Amino acid sequence: EVQLVESGGGLVQPGGSLRLSCAASGFTLSRYDMHWVRQATGKGLEWVSGIGTAGESYYSGSVKGRFTISREDAKNSLYLQMNSLRAGDTAVYYCARASSSSLPFDDWGQGTLVTVSS
Amino acid sequence: NFMLTQPHSVSESPGKTVTISCTRSSGSIASNYVQWYQQRPGSSPTTVIYDDNQRPSGVPDRFSGSIDTSSNSASLTISGLKTEDEADYYCQSYDSFSRVFGGGTKLTVL
Repeated sequence: EVQLVESGGGLVQPGGSLRLSCAASGFTLSRYDMHWVRQATGKGLEWVSGIGTAGESYYSGSVKGRFTISREDAKNSLYLQMNSLRAGDTAVYYCARASSSSLPFDDWGQGTLVTVSS
Repeated sequence: NFMLTQPHSVSESPGKTVTISCTRSSGSIASNYVQWYQQRPGSSPTTVIYDDNQRPSGVPDRFSGSIDTSSNSASLTISGLKTEDEADYYCQSYDSFSRVFGGGTKLTVL
């Protein structure tokens, strides 16, 4: 059974940093495109970042230069290093799996809440 | 990059049919597949339509998808509405590796 379990969310002050993790089971993470998608409370889904099977990384304009996506194959895990956090980054962050760029996200985690506030 | 625009909300009675639109701001809607996700309160999204008009296994055939190049839009149609269909629905496409989501449509079945 495919499972994605996010962790690492919490309360952080503006300007601070946080590292999110997504532990995958039931499949080999490096064989899939992996993404982070966020959702502010009461708002819609927003694509944040993705990493391809060759390790290439992509970012939305709103996080480029502040967030870094990575994966650790030995731990079958995905990460999102978030620096220079702003109030507008407050959201539930989901990791999601896709078989290719043209295919949908076929599995999602349950999400982890990041709150940026003083 | 392009945007996908959805109506904020739609409502319909049980047993009826509803259609949710998703209009692409630039570039052809036919250029990149459109996916549709259902999200119930407190839950992660699930796919109800992929590749414009394909249904994943387990999704009832009451759900269907289409694209219309004349209006540069995609549509999700749900027939025989049930109260369990009440949820938020998001269209999504892609631009190279990046993903683009519509703003979401709240479907109320009353």
